[in-house]
Amino acid sequence: DAGVTQSPTHLIKTRGQQVTLRCSPKSGHDTVSWYQQALGQGPQFIFQYYEEEERQRGNFPDRFSGHQFPNYSSELNVNALLLGDSALYLCASSLRSRNQPQHFGDGTRLSIL
Amino acid sequence: DAKTTQPNSMESNEEEPVHLPCNHSTISGTDYIHWYRQLPSQGPEYVIHGLTSNVNNRMASLAIAEDRKSSTLILHRATLRDAAVYYCILRPNSNSGYALNFGKGTSLLVTP
Repeated sequence: DAGVTQSPTHLIKTRGQQVTLRCSPKSGHDTVSWYQQALGQGPQFIFQYYEEEERQRGNFPDRFSGHQFPNYSSELNVNALLLGDSALYLCASSLRSRNQPQHFGDGTRLSIL
Repeated sequence: DAKTTQPNSMESNEEEPVHLPCNHSTISGTDYIHWYRQLPSQGPEYVIHGLTSNVNNRMASLAIAEDRKSSTLILHRATLRDAAVYYCILRPNSNSGYALNFGKGTSLLVTP
């Protein structure tokens, strides 16, 4: 039973570029959340998708956007990259209820030059 | 949202029990207490959660104070693989409860 898979594992971009990160949820899960983790910090919630709609959003600018597909997989898009966007981006999947545990992938390491 | 307070770091010997404390004095009546851990170079991993009663699973036990203002994650017998950052998180049972609000957590060092 595959867990949460993310691609790519590492990515290098330059300032001003755009990036798309991908996530496949754990089998049977219908909800996907995205988090940003800076070095030495805890993960910060970006947003959550359920039924192809953004259900909750954290304190991130509109440069961060997402999408969920009918097969429940998801993409995170970041436009106009800044040096401060360098971080580990984590995807988590869960069942739709509020207090269900979230299952995390191992993340995409994004470096901005 | 209610906040949690955890020690920055703790140390334990292998095969000894470990008690990881968390203070949440402003917890509301419908907040669930969740614990996650993050091993080096991995994504966070769910450990356990509870509301009022103590909870046990194969990974750990969660002891919740009677007034719910604090809780303790108990690892009954630490192994080297338990070295990780442990996060105590409150999740409201409301439409703002979908997110996990991670703090800085407690970094647990386990020595042989």
